[in-house]
Amino acid sequence: EDKVVQSPLSLVVHEGDTVTLNCSYEVTNFRSLLWYKQEKKAPTFLFMLTSSGIEKKSGRLSSILDKKELFSILNITATQTGDSAVYLCAVEVGAAGKSTFGDGTTLTVKP
Amino acid sequence: NAGVMQNPRHLVRRRGQEARLRCSPVKGHSHVYWYRQLPEEGLKFMVYLQKENIIDESGMPKERFSAEFPKEGPSILRIQQVVRGDSAAYFCASSPLAGQSHNEQFFGPGTRLTVL
Repeated sequence: EDKVVQSPLSLVVHEGDTVTLNCSYEVTNFRSLLWYKQEKKAPTFLFMLTSSGIEKKSGRLSSILDKKELFSILNITATQTGDSAVYLCAVEVGAAGKSTFGDGTTLTVKP
Repeated sequence: NAGVMQNPRHLVRRRGQEARLRCSPVKGHSHVYWYRQLPEEGLKFMVYLQKENIIDESGMPKERFSAEFPKEGPSILRIQQVVRGDSAAYFCASSPLAGQSHNEQFFGPGTRLTVL
């Protein structure tokens, strides 16, 4: 059975801190790994990673994939209160594009 | 440029009633995915459909749940004889094409089902 595990489950930091969120997976027929941000409604897409070692960046957020060790990290630097959300990691498997999601990391950024 | 639309946004049902959840994908998208999110949990895959076909329903309970995506009209997730454990947020996502190197799924706002 495909499995995606995120850690930590929750995290509380202060504005300006840097955080690292982890996602490990065990799946058959890996296609890509995706990060989403969910703020009380629909998840919004952040990154898609398919190749090992290539960092994707968007502003203060960055992510990288290690296909040998089967994990990805999402980094957020200089956190702001608006970064407070649940961050979901999903692994797309097979040709059908079915995604298996982790349970998410709840990030709370305090002023 | 309408995104994925779901209705109703909130649905309250009594035990034993039927729930019908609708999803209209992004215009031009022919692939629809349904996910369920229980409180404090991540999204769990339920079913993947293309127009008029169920491609993968491995995450859907075998009883009481069914899904369709007709040639015309929205995708429907139907839950018969609802029980309290069905209370959850149900998200629909669409994508333009499967089998591509990039398969970002666009999510709808979800339907929050409460079973009394």
